[in-house]
Amino acid sequence: KNEVEQSPQNLTAQEGEFITINCSYSVGISALHWLQQHPGGGIVSLFMLSSGKKKHGRLIATINIQEKHSSLHITASHPRDSAVYICAVRRGSQGNLIFGKGTKLSVKP
Amino acid sequence: NAGVTQTPKFQVLKTGQSMTLQCAQDMNHEYMSWYRQDPGMGLRLIHYSVGAGITDQGEVPNGYNVSRSTTEDFPLRLLSAAPSQTSVYFCASSYPGGNEQFFGPGTRLTVL
Repeated sequence: KNEVEQSPQNLTAQEGEFITINCSYSVGISALHWLQQHPGGGIVSLFMLSSGKKKHGRLIATINIQEKHSSLHITASHPRDSAVYICAVRRGSQGNLIFGKGTKLSVKP
Repeated sequence: NAGVTQTPKFQVLKTGQSMTLQCAQDMNHEYMSWYRQDPGMGLRLIHYSVGAGITDQGEVPNGYNVSRSTTEDFPLRLLSAAPSQTSVYFCASSYPGGNEQFFGPGTRLTVL
């Protein structure tokens, strides 16, 4: 069983819809990262969470440490949000990350 | 700042050839790492470094070597390329335990 599981694997939405991507993990962590991989392949960091909730523009990330679960929400989705969203957890104080397989999001106009 | 740079962007090798993937960062980050990304799998850690002169193995180190002679550079060497090493390779850097991981643009490697 993978240590980091994401759902759904694929998601198609209409522009304007509210999107939720889920991440569950089975190991103790020091932090959880959400990353975005553009269709061209580049990867950028969106959030790092160790507790609670963070918001940046239309993106919201939450984490429940007790339930070992995190969600990434996108409000008022737009075609430019189409990308692969990757959840990754950090187990120690160093930077080593364990990655989920990603959720491919396609937002249709 | 250029951020994290990787060269080359694309490479085709024959089985048995060796090559070096270059990675450099100009943010004075102590932590650098190499990942490979294969279809249907998450990114997997090959090797990492927590500072100049210090390297360690990740999840899938076989067939790869690294060195870290300076803070800026972290090259990945393929000793004798195999078709199983066909993948997209990403270099990343951050401060240890940092909020943000910075990724290079990736190198797409094909081994024939």
